[in-house]
Amino acid sequence: KAGVTQTPRYLIKTRGQQVTLSCSPISGHRSVSWYQQTPGQGLQFLFEYFSETQRNKGNFPGRFSGRQFSNSRSEMNVSTLELGDSALYLCASSLSGGLDTQYFGPGTRLTVL
Amino acid sequence: GESVGLHLPTLSVQEGDNSIINCAYSNSASDYFIWYKQESGKGPQFIIDIRSNMDKRQGQRVTVLLNKTVKHLSLQIAATQPGDSAVYFCAENRDDKIIFGKGTRLHILP
Repeated sequence: KAGVTQTPRYLIKTRGQQVTLSCSPISGHRSVSWYQQTPGQGLQFLFEYFSETQRNKGNFPGRFSGRQFSNSRSEMNVSTLELGDSALYLCASSLSGGLDTQYFGPGTRLTVL
Repeated sequence: GESVGLHLPTLSVQEGDNSIINCAYSNSASDYFIWYKQESGKGPQFIIDIRSNMDKRQGQRVTVLLNKTVKHLSLQIAATQPGDSAVYFCAENRDDKIIFGKGTRLHILP
């Protein structure tokens, strides 16, 4: 069974731009969660989608948004990029969320110049 | 605020010895804990989990211990191998959100 895939793997943007990251979960998984990883703040939960609905949200500004499609694939969007948005963005999928084991993708490395 | 944290940022262990990675948590209501391993260039990988109604759980070469009295979690890796070199995170499931600790880097000495 293929693992979680994320595209693109690397991205360079400038301040003020917006970016869209994509995540394809493991086949059969309906829950997709997004995390931001930085050296200073570590791994922080952004949001979780289940059956095309945002089910849970972390403490990030409204510039960070996401969506999930009927095939469970998910996208994350960051608008008006700031230097501090430079990070590794990780997506994880699980069967139904909750206490189900999460499987992480390799991440998208975003650099904001 | 309440958080999951780690005692040591870096741990160096001789190959073949046992490794013990510690973690403290502050939310006494947390009832589910997970350990993840993250190798360079990869996403975190699930290692083992434990629910609060248990004190100990064993996997292949790994053991997780939970001490609810002092809110302490540890990961023991038996016979540490070069492939165990990674950053290890403890995490708790709180309100269906995974809250991660800062991580401990494990160095394996030859």
